[in-house]
Amino acid sequence: AQTVTQSQPEMSVQEAETVTLSCTYDTSESNYYLFWYKQPPSRQMILVIRQEAYKQQNATENRFSVNFQKAAKSFSLKISDSQLGDTAMYFCAFMKTSHTGANSKLTFGKGITLSVRP
Amino acid sequence: SQTIHQWPATLVQPVGSPLSLECTVEGTSNPNLYWYRQAAGRGLQLLFYSVGIGQISSEVPQNLSASRPQDRQFILSSKKLLLSDSGFYLCAWTALSNSPLHFGNGTRLTVT
Repeated sequence: AQTVTQSQPEMSVQEAETVTLSCTYDTSESNYYLFWYKQPPSRQMILVIRQEAYKQQNATENRFSVNFQKAAKSFSLKISDSQLGDTAMYFCAFMKTSHTGANSKLTFGKGITLSVRP
Repeated sequence: SQTIHQWPATLVQPVGSPLSLECTVEGTSNPNLYWYRQAAGRGLQLLFYSVGIGQISSEVPQNLSASRPQDRQFILSSKKLLLSDSGFYLCAWTALSNSPLHFGNGTRLTVT
């Protein structure tokens, strides 16, 4: 079974600064996907970024980027130029690659609450 | 474009009462459908998933059940609610394997 660990329960960052959220995972799989989801106070789950394990290049989406270290099983999220709207809970998630087309299940960490200070 | 609808948004039910939460997806066919629960201080726990009509897989044995009577409809039910069933329930879908899940707005269930 896969596990996802987010050891920091809360973080705070000044607006316009950079913050890094940590995530580690444990799996025996060699092919998988990793995701970061954002849950603002509205509680809508929003996909932030996705990383395929077979890709060495770190994924980037505008101000969001990841540092994927496959050997260390680490997947951190960096938010640059933090904005007030980035205040939310952030979840790291793992998905095992499915070759049967049957299903794609996400395993989530416990999440980290990020507060952006004005 | 695809959209997911989940209702109700908020629900307060007494212990021992039945439950029915509904989720529908528009704009796609034969989606994979999921029910997750988010308890306070915890991440999301997968409860059920479905890869087709009438096909339900349970991840965690508990007081809840799920059904998929139509291709794009997923229902979470209970015959008798427990206090421990309180939480935030999220429905999600994906059209393809190895693709991100897309979530509904969730239902906040309080069992009193």
